[in-house]
Parts: sequence; C-alpha cells; structure tokens
Amino acid sequence: AQSVTQPDIHITVSEGASLELRCNYSYGATPYLFWYVQSPGQGLQLLLKYFSGDTLVQGIKGFEAEFKRSQSSFNLRKPSVHWSDAAEYFCAVALTGGGNKLTFGTGTQLKVEL
Amino acid sequence: NAGVTQTPKFQVLKTGQSMTLQCAQDMNHEYMSWYRQDPGMGLRLIHYSVGAGITDQGEVPNGYNVSRSTTEDFPLRLLSAAPSQTSVYFCASTASLNTGELFFGEGSRLTVL
Repeated sequence: AQSVTQPDIHITVSEGASLELRCNYSYGATPYLFWYVQSPGQGLQLLLKYFSGDTLVQGIKGFEAEFKRSQSSFNLRKPSVHWSDAAEYFCAVALTGGGNKLTFGTGTQLKVEL
Repeated sequence: NAGVTQTPKFQVLKTGQSMTLQCAQDMNHEYMSWYRQDPGMGLRLIHYSVGAGITDQGEVPNGYNVSRSTTEDFPLRLLSAAPSQTSVYFCASTASLNTGELFFGEGSRLTVL
C-alpha cells in the first residue's frame, strides 16, 4: 500500500527565513504528488502538484517543490516565509487516475516567528 | 461562488445516536469524497463516489454509509455513533481524476460522548 511520511510534526521559522518541509512516499511507481495547506478552521487548499515532466514545480503563494525519484521525496520550499504562511501543510499522493482518492501524510505544523 | 458546502459545522452526539453530515457542491463535479481528520493521523478516506449512483469504500469505511442520488449531494451517515468517530470530517470534490485538485469544504467537527 502507498504511504506518505512527513517526518517533521512541528517547524518554527523566523519571518523572512527560508523554509523546507520534507515529504517521502512509498509506492512502486511514481504516483501523483501534491502539497495542500490548511489554515486554522478551514478546509485544505492545493498549493501545487506533480504528475510528470519538470521535477521542479511552482505553486501558489510563492511555494515550490522538487520531485526526486531516487529519494522518493517531494519536499516543499519557500525562499522567504511570511507570517501569513503559518498553517498546517500536508503532502499527499494518488495513483494514476485516482485523483479523488488521496493518501495524506500526517502533516507539518508551521509556526512563523515575527 | 459557494464551492463545497458542509453542514452542520459542529455537532455533539451521544453514543448510539445516528446522524447525517451533509455535503453539497455547485461545481458540477462528478467525483466526491469524504475524509476524516484526526490529530497526528492526517486525513483518511472514508468513502468516495465517481458519479450519481456509484459509491465505494475508502480506507476507513466502517460505521459510515453514503449514497449519491444527485451529482450535487453526497451525504455521510453515521448509523450508530461511537466515541471513536469523534473527528473533523471533510467533504471534497474534483472535476477530473487526473487533475488532482480536490476542493474541500470547511469541515464538520463531530464529538461523540
């Protein structure tokens, strides 16, 4: 069965600092890969996704992620964090054609210090 | 532009009671899903639907029923609530299985005493 690991439960960064959130997946083939963000009391919003092609993908709000097949990783990055980026971030995977059946990681809670 | 609407937002039940969480979307999406979110466990798929009249089980279906009589609505029924069903429930929809963009409702927080 496919699985997603987000090893960092909590991360604290200073505003203006760079950010990297880690995500590793376990699956026999390359699945669809996603990052979602959840603000307090809200549903999830898609930040970016990778299906194929260029391994560096750009998303909304200045986020990017890099797919590394050799490491089964899909880490999320942002060069300069803003206080409004404080939220919970979820990495997710899906089988090809299974875009309504995502497997989510356990999430990383991001705190931004002013 | 409502998107995915869930009701109620909050509910407290006693063990053994039944209830229905409502989900409606106005985007004409064929595909809808229910997830539950528990601390430290991320979101887990309960049931999903690929169109009116077609539903299937996800990862954690026990204790829940769904039906899909229309494209717009996808209610989730708890038949006999248990404390283990205390959770935040999210409904989501998507237009395509190959775009990966799920549109989520704002969630329904359920407490079972």
